[in-house]
Amino acid sequence: AQSVTQLDSQVPVFEEAPVELRCNYSSSVSVYLFWYVQYPNQGLQLLLKYLSGSTLVKGINGFEAEFNKSQTSFHLRKPSVHISDTAEYFCAVTISGGSYIPTFGRGTSLIVHP
Amino acid sequence: DTAVSQTPKYLVTQMGNDKSIKCEQNLGHDTMYWYKQDSKKFLKIMFSYNNKELIINETVPNRFSPKSPDKAHLNLHINSLELGDSAVYFCASNRGRNTEAFFGQGTRLTVV
Repeated sequence: AQSVTQLDSQVPVFEEAPVELRCNYSSSVSVYLFWYVQYPNQGLQLLLKYLSGSTLVKGINGFEAEFNKSQTSFHLRKPSVHISDTAEYFCAVTISGGSYIPTFGRGTSLIVHP
Repeated sequence: DTAVSQTPKYLVTQMGNDKSIKCEQNLGHDTMYWYKQDSKKFLKIMFSYNNKELIINETVPNRFSPKSPDKAHLNLHINSLELGDSAVYFCASNRGRNTEAFFGQGTRLTVV
C-alpha cells in the first residue's frame, strides 16, 4: 500500500521569504501526486498535481513542486510567501493500477509572520 | 453552483443520538468519499463508493454507514454517537485515480 510522509508538522516563516514543504511517498508502482491547501474552517482545494511528463509542476498562487522519482519526493516550494498563504498543506498520492483512494499525509501547517 | 456540498456545516448533538450528514456533488463524478479529520488535522479515509463498489476502511466502527441513493449523493449515517466521534467530516469526489479530489466545506460534529 502507498503512504505519504510530510516531514514537518509546522513551518514558520517570515513574509516574503522562500519556503519549502517536504513530502515523501512510498510506493512500488507509478504514482500520481497532489498538493492541497486548507484554509481555516474550509475544505481542501487543489494547489497542483503531477501525473506524468515534466517533473516541475506549477500550480496556483505561485506555488510549484518537483517530482523526484529517485528520492520518492514531491516537495512544494514558493519563492516569496504572503500572510495569506498561512494554511494547512496536504500532500496526497494515488497509485497507478491500484487503489484509487487518495492517501493523505498528516499535513504541514505553514505560518507566515509579518 | 457549489461542486460538492455538505449539510449541515455544524452539528452539535448528545451522546447516544443518531445523526446523518448529507453530501451532494454536481460534477458528474463516479466516485465519492468520506474522510474524518481529527483535531490534529489528520485526514483518515472512512469510505469510498462508486457505482459498483463500496470500500470500507476496516478501522471504522460499524456505527458509521454510508448511504447512496444515487450517483450524485453519498450520505453518512452515524448511530449511537460517542464523544470520540467529534471531528470534522469531509465529503469528496473525483473521476478517477489520476484526477484531483474535490472537497466539500466540511461538517464539524461535536458530541456532548
